[in-house]
Order: sequence, then structure tokens, then C-alpha cells
Amino acid sequence: GQQVMQIPQYQHVQEGEDFTTYCNSSTTLSNIQWYKQRPGGHPVFLIQLVKSGEVKKQKRLTFQFGEAKKNSSLHITATQTTDVGTYFCAGPRQAGGTSYGKLTFGQGTILTVHP
Amino acid sequence: NAGVTQTPKFQVLKTGQSMTLQCAQDMNHNSMYWYRQDPGMGLRLIYYSASEGTTDKGEVPNGYNVSRLNKREFSLRLESAAPSQTSVYFCASSGFQPQHFGDGTRLSIL
Repeated sequence: GQQVMQIPQYQHVQEGEDFTTYCNSSTTLSNIQWYKQRPGGHPVFLIQLVKSGEVKKQKRLTFQFGEAKKNSSLHITATQTTDVGTYFCAGPRQAGGTSYGKLTFGQGTILTVHP
Repeated sequence: NAGVTQTPKFQVLKTGQSMTLQCAQDMNHNSMYWYRQDPGMGLRLIYYSASEGTTDKGEVPNGYNVSRLNKREFSLRLESAAPSQTSVYFCASSGFQPQHFGDGTRLSIL
């Protein structure tokens, strides 16, 4: 079945350093979504990418969707302590699935930021 | 605006006991989901409901049952709890928007 893999599983950075997490799918995705979960909290939607090669920015966060629509990345510039949490990517469970139907989530990358 | 509400927030059960986790959403979403979250495993889909009256199995349905009581409510039942079901359970809903999650239920089975 479809698999979505994320690396690294853990990342420890000093405040001000950059951070990147990578997401790879075993199948071509119609879109990819990113969620953030603060410690003790619940996942919160960040963004969706749909087009091949798409790049979107939210302040210090940059999201990319690969040309083959099988991989994606999230890059945070100059991390802050507020960036702490687990970052998940997720793709539709079926090829051609609706944008907001069943999702397969990656295992997540746990980011810790040392002040 | 409550969004997705889950009850209870915490629960401890003994092996073999049963319980129902409740979930309600006030966003008029058609689709609702139950996930479990275990360390290093991400979010795994237990059951899914595309609309009122329909349910479908996800990745890890064994040991669970669900009921879509109406458009707002989607409950998850553990008939005979096992220690392997110790986890954090999240309910989510979606319509023409991304998935919105509840605060979760932290469930321990002794």
C-alpha cells in the first residue's frame, strides 16, 4: 500500500539555525499537506501544495513539492522557540483522491529548539 | 466556535473493559475520522466516515467499532480493551477544507 516516509525523525537545533524536513511518497500524489503539532497538542493544518514544482512561503517557512509529485520538503529559516513541535506531511490515500479526503501521514519530524 | 470536541480527555481502563470515545464537530463537515497516534508511528487511520450513515475501515481497524450517529457525531468504541490499544486518539473532520482535529483522548489500558 501507499507509504509516506519522513526524515529525519528528530532534529535538535540552536535557536537561529535553519531546519529542514523531507517527505517521500511511494506513489505519485495529487497534493501534499503539512501539519504542525505542538507538544501536548493536536495537529494543525499549515498548507497544501498541488502543482508539480510548487513553492509556497509562510513567513520563515518554505514548502516545496517535487517535480514528480512524490516528495516534498519544509524548510524553516532562523528557527525560534515557537517552532518547537512535530511536523507531519500527509498525502491522499488514493491516487486521484479528493484534496481533503482520507490521508496517509508521514511519521513526523520532532523539532526541538535550544535557546 | 468549538470546532471538533472530544470526550473524555483522559481515561484509564483495565484490560477487557469497554468504552466509547465521543467526537462532535460544529463545522457542518461531511467527513469524519478517527486516528491513533503512537510514538514514531505518526497518525494512523482507524475508521473513516464520508457522510452520515457510512463508515469505512482505515489502516488499523481491528479491535474497534464506530458509529456515525448523525452529521455532527462520530464515536469510537473499544469492546474489549487491550494494552496494545494504549495510545492517543484523535478525531478529525473535513469538508471542502483540510482536516480539523480535536484535542485528543489519552487512553491507557492496564
